[in-house]
Amino acid sequence: NAGVTQTPKFRILKIGQSMTLQCTQDMNHNYMYWYRQDPGMGLKLIYYSVGAGITDKGEVPNGYNVSRSTTEDFPLRLELAAPSQTSVYFCASRPSAAGELFFGEGSRLTVL
Amino acid sequence: QKEVEQDPGPLSVPEGAIVSLNCTYSNSAFQYFMWYRQYSRKGPELLMYTYSSGNKEDGRFTAQVDKSSKYISLFIRDSQPSDSATYLCAMSVDNNNDMRFGAGTRLTVKP
Repeated sequence: NAGVTQTPKFRILKIGQSMTLQCTQDMNHNYMYWYRQDPGMGLKLIYYSVGAGITDKGEVPNGYNVSRSTTEDFPLRLELAAPSQTSVYFCASRPSAAGELFFGEGSRLTVL
Repeated sequence: QKEVEQDPGPLSVPEGAIVSLNCTYSNSAFQYFMWYRQYSRKGPELLMYTYSSGNKEDGRFTAQVDKSSKYISLFIRDSQPSDSATYLCAMSVDNNNDMRFGAGTRLTVKP
């Protein structure tokens, strides 16, 4: 039972580079989320999706893009990486708006 | 002022101690309150979930919500070394996608 799987676990980017953080879940959950976690700041919602083909902005969407072509996958795209995007990124899913959030193990990104 | 305030600690206690973790908040519209536990280098996992004011108990864990004071607490009885983790409070107005998290309190329980 894999749950929520994120790749890569670690990545170092140079300023201006682009990359995609992958997230896949095998629980058939409709709701998926991307958060970033910074020291002393708590988790901040970047983007979320309530089903395939539907995405919406969260609290801190600038500099990111998402897509949701299937129920299982919810990749997060970083265009023109900036040092302010250095963070730990967590993908999460849940079966409904009222359900428990299940988190992946995180992707640690450093932009130099 | 942050919407959700949580003392980051670190908090260190001996095994068997009672631990009290707290969060305060500014948005009186919050109705759903959660506590997540996060082990080092792992994702958070739901520990307790409460709606509106009152207490909820689950084994060694008790969650309290005082909406009049905008204050929530998590108590851990008979703390164990395996309880060593960061504890995050979270809350939302509706049971929807806009959940706000505290910064987390790092707890160490020493054998």
